[in-house]
Amino acid sequence: SAVISQKPSRDICQRGTSLTIQCQVDSQVTMMFWYRQQPGQSLTLIATANQGSEATYESGFVIDKFPISRPNLTFSTLTVSNMSPEDSSIYLCSVEGTGVAGRTQYFGPGTRLLVL
Amino acid sequence: KQEVTQIPAALSVPEGENLVLNCSFTDSAIYNLQWFRQDPGKGLTSLLLIQSSQREQTSGRLNASLDKSSGRSTLYIAASQPGDSATYLCAVRISGFNKFYFGSGTKLNVKP
Repeated sequence: SAVISQKPSRDICQRGTSLTIQCQVDSQVTMMFWYRQQPGQSLTLIATANQGSEATYESGFVIDKFPISRPNLTFSTLTVSNMSPEDSSIYLCSVEGTGVAGRTQYFGPGTRLLVL
Repeated sequence: KQEVTQIPAALSVPEGENLVLNCSFTDSAIYNLQWFRQDPGKGLTSLLLIQSSQREQTSGRLNASLDKSSGRSTLYIAASQPGDSATYLCAVRISGFNKFYFGSGTKLNVKP
């Protein structure tokens, strides 16, 4: 299994500013995933981050808006840049690990962001 | 593109009832399917994982089934309790891709 922590757990930000979210895993993992969950919606994958290479972004998400760092095998950051109220969401970090039943996806507790 | 649908969107039942949550997906070429629980304002907790070669998995009062050919999975909760109140999400991983597609969830309320 994998234990994931995220910082901050929540924040309230002004529009036009940027927020960097940190994700720490208790074991080394190859890929880390960043998801967004807008109010009342399901999860949408923002990007996949591999250590030592550029993140791979999903359709609708760009590096200028959501720059990602992956400096080592246990840590990643996601920055939400030039925020607007539409960026108010829960941002979740995820990794894949091996559970009892096979390859399992594990999630952090999420960062709840409110943009005013 | 894989589309995942969950029915119903919301469900309210009295304590002690057995219930079934449904998940359907459009592309049967899946690697696995995972059921999660999400409490309000929190992250996701994995409940059950079914590999594409499996038909069902059980954990305590939970049983998940998978029918790849029809593109369906069900999560059966026996003897529901108020503590089961949460949103339940299913996620499908496509073979050959490290990407998961999530359904929109079923919000369950179990009344004491």
